[in-house]
Parts: sequence; C-alpha cells; structure tokens
Amino acid sequence: AQTVTQSQPEMSVQEAETVTLSCTYDTSENNYYLFWYKQPPSRQMILVIRQEAYKQQNATENRFSVNFQKAAKSFSLKISDSQLGDTAMYFCAFTSDFGNEKLTFGTGTRLTIIP
Amino acid sequence: EPEVTQTPSHQVTQMGQEVILRCVPISNHLYFYWYRQILGQKVEFLVSFYNNEISEKSEIFDDQFSVERPDGSNFTLKIRSTKLEDSAMYFCASSRHKNTEAFFGQGTRLTVV
Repeated sequence: AQTVTQSQPEMSVQEAETVTLSCTYDTSENNYYLFWYKQPPSRQMILVIRQEAYKQQNATENRFSVNFQKAAKSFSLKISDSQLGDTAMYFCAFTSDFGNEKLTFGTGTRLTIIP
Repeated sequence: EPEVTQTPSHQVTQMGQEVILRCVPISNHLYFYWYRQILGQKVEFLVSFYNNEISEKSEIFDDQFSVERPDGSNFTLKIRSTKLEDSAMYFCASSRHKNTEAFFGQGTRLTVV
C-alpha cells in the first residue's frame, strides 16, 4: 500500500518570501503521479501542480514549482513570492499508474502567509 | 469553466437516518469519486466509479454506503443509517481520464447528531 507523509503540520512565512513544503511517499511502483492540492478556508480542494514520475523535469506553474527526487521518494513544493491568498492547507497526494485511480493524501501542512 | 457541483452544502441529520449526498460531475468526465475529510484530518478515499460500476472502494465504504449514477449526470452517495462518526466533509470529484487531474466539488458538510 502507498503512503504519503507530510512532516510539517504548520508553517508560516512572511509575504513575498519563498517557502518549501515537504512530502515523502512510499511505493514499490515505478510509474505514478504526484499532486499538490490546496484547501483554503472555503474547504474546496484545488489542484496546484502535478508531476508524472516518468518525467525527470520538475513541474512548474507560475510561482509554484516542485523538487521531485524519485530515488529519495521526495516531492516538495516551493512557493515563490508568497501571497496572502496562498494561506491554506496544502495536501500532497499520490496515485498509481497501475490499477486503481484513487488519490492517497498526506495529512497536510497548514501554511500561513503573514502580512 | 466547468466545475463539479455538490448539494447540499451542509446537511444535519439524526443518527440512524438515511442521507443522500448529490454531485454533478463535469459532463465529459468518465471517472467519479467520493472522498471524506473528518474535521482536522486528512482526506480519505471512499469509492471510485467508472463505466457504471464501482472500480474500487476503501474499508470505510462498508454496507452502509452505496453510490449511484441514476441518470447520466448525477452521482450520489447514500449512507443508509448514519452514525455519529460519519460526521465529516464529503467531497465528490471527477476526472476525464485515469491519473489526470481530479476536479473536486466544494464539499458537503454532514453533521450527524
């Protein structure tokens, strides 16, 4: 069974600074997908960024980028030039390329951007 | 922009009552899911649905739970006899293909009293 671990329950950073959220996962599979979802106070789950395990290049989406280390099974999220609207819970998630389609989530990191 | 919609946004029910949570997935999506999130905890997978049948379910999804896609647009989650521990936020999600982005609805907060 796959597991996803987020070791930082809470983080805070000053507006405009850069912050990195950690995520590690455990799987015996070679092909899979990793995601970061954002959950603001409204509670809706919003996809931030997606990474295919077979791609060596790290995914980027504007101010959001990942550091994907397949051998280390690490998938961290970097938020550059952080904004007040980035305040939210951030969940790392995993899905296998084989068989099921479900997402396995980590426990989340509560990120607060301080004005 | 197409979105997943869920109704109601909040439901309060008495223990032992049946509840039906409703979802309208994005119209050209083929995979449908229910997840739940107990307050302060992580999001947990309940069930996935593809080609008009359950493709996978978790150990949480016991005989008290069922899903249906009655009319080609709605996707419902039924809890037959609610328990206090069923109180949670329930999220519906859909995706076009396997392993592509899952779009989530805004959730239904279920409170069992």
